[in-house]
Amino acid sequence: DAKTTQPPSMDCAEGRAANLPCNHSTISGNEYVYWYRQIHSQGPQYIIHGLKNNETNEMASLIITEDRKSSTLILPHATLRDTAVYYCIAHGSSNTGKLIFGQGTTLQVKP
Amino acid sequence: NAGVTQTPKFQVLKTGQSMTLQCAQDMNHEYMSWYRQDPGMGLRLIHYSVGAGITDQGEVPNGYNVSRSTTEDFPLRLLSAAPSQTSVYFCASSYSTDRGQLFFGSGTQLSVL
Repeated sequence: DAKTTQPPSMDCAEGRAANLPCNHSTISGNEYVYWYRQIHSQGPQYIIHGLKNNETNEMASLIITEDRKSSTLILPHATLRDTAVYYCIAHGSSNTGKLIFGQGTTLQVKP
Repeated sequence: NAGVTQTPKFQVLKTGQSMTLQCAQDMNHEYMSWYRQDPGMGLRLIHYSVGAGITDQGEVPNGYNVSRSTTEDFPLRLLSAAPSQTSVYFCASSYSTDRGQLFFGSGTQLSVL
């Protein structure tokens, strides 16, 4: 998997959009970008993934730059329950399943 | 569907004791894996399996054994527990190795005294 780089922490006001960046400059053509989050000490939860097109689901939107070297996870209207650690992972079918989690970004949503 | 079920939720061991952390999934997933998470750290991959009878090492395999005799179960064995193995352990599964949408269990908090 390509190495990903995320800021260690971010703050966001409740009700505003939270934009979480991720750098993956060495990503290869068959690697997807996945986002997970971990609330408190629960097991991580899948959020969204994409290859090269922007993606949206009921939880978030994923914007991937045209050169695929970076992406942004957008939580459109952050709530206090979105306070969590967010992990960005590049994962491709060429590997044998070693999904590696980095340090992630701790998002603090403030009232 | 129960998803991924881990037992026990909490465990305290003495140094040198052995135990098995259980993990079961009812989604017919090929891929299963074990992670550990130390305080303030990200998740580190211990062992993983791409199907029944097939296992491989992750980032931090030392001190742990695994086996995969059925699709549903993927137990993690600590043969001789050490204080350095105090951690929270998560089991995860996914449909296949090239689909990274992992489903996680709720974790086992292990303390080794």
